[in-house]
Amino acid sequence: KAGVTQTPRYLIKTRGQQVTLSCSPISGHRSVSWYQQTPGQGLQFLFEYFSETQRNKGNFPGRFSGRQFSNSRSEMNVSTLELGDSALYLCASSFEDYGYTFGSGTRLTVV
Amino acid sequence: DAKTTQPPSMDCAEGRAANLPCNHSTISGNEYVYWYRQIHSQGPQYIIHGLKNNETNEMASLIITEDRKSSTLILPHATLRDTAVYYCIVRVPLGSFGAGTTVTVRA
Repeated sequence: KAGVTQTPRYLIKTRGQQVTLSCSPISGHRSVSWYQQTPGQGLQFLFEYFSETQRNKGNFPGRFSGRQFSNSRSEMNVSTLELGDSALYLCASSFEDYGYTFGSGTRLTVV
Repeated sequence: DAKTTQPPSMDCAEGRAANLPCNHSTISGNEYVYWYRQIHSQGPQYIIHGLKNNETNEMASLIITEDRKSSTLILPHATLRDTAVYYCIVRVPLGSFGAGTTVTVRA
């Protein structure tokens, strides 16, 4: 079966712009979680959505937001981009909280 | 959230078993222990998980102590492709991953 699909794979944005990243979970998975990975901070949890509702949230500023659609696909948005937002953004999906499958990530570069 | 402690790095000879320890002394009774690995900025790959019994799959074995305060991931015959960062996590996805153990398999 198809894995977790993240688009786009690479993205270059300018400071102050906003960006939207997309994540399509494995068919049947209702939970989608988002992570930010940077060399200095490692894998940091952003938020988790389950059945279109945000279930958990990490410690990130309000510039980071997300949503989940009825087909479980999820998007995350970062507004007013800063240089420090350059990172690999990963999403993971799960069926019922048992085991999470990660996508290959979106590499965001802010210049 | 239960926190985990792992050694920062370890080396292993190709073909030998690699034993990766993890301490999770504050784990709750219903929390699972998960192991993932990440190879060079790809998405983390699921390896194995367990609650209190030892588990084995085609990739690895997981040994959990009786008090559940620590566990060991065993890669039975390490290959060069097993070189990666290995993460021990309790209750994904709440909380962030720790620094993990960087495992280098040498020929």
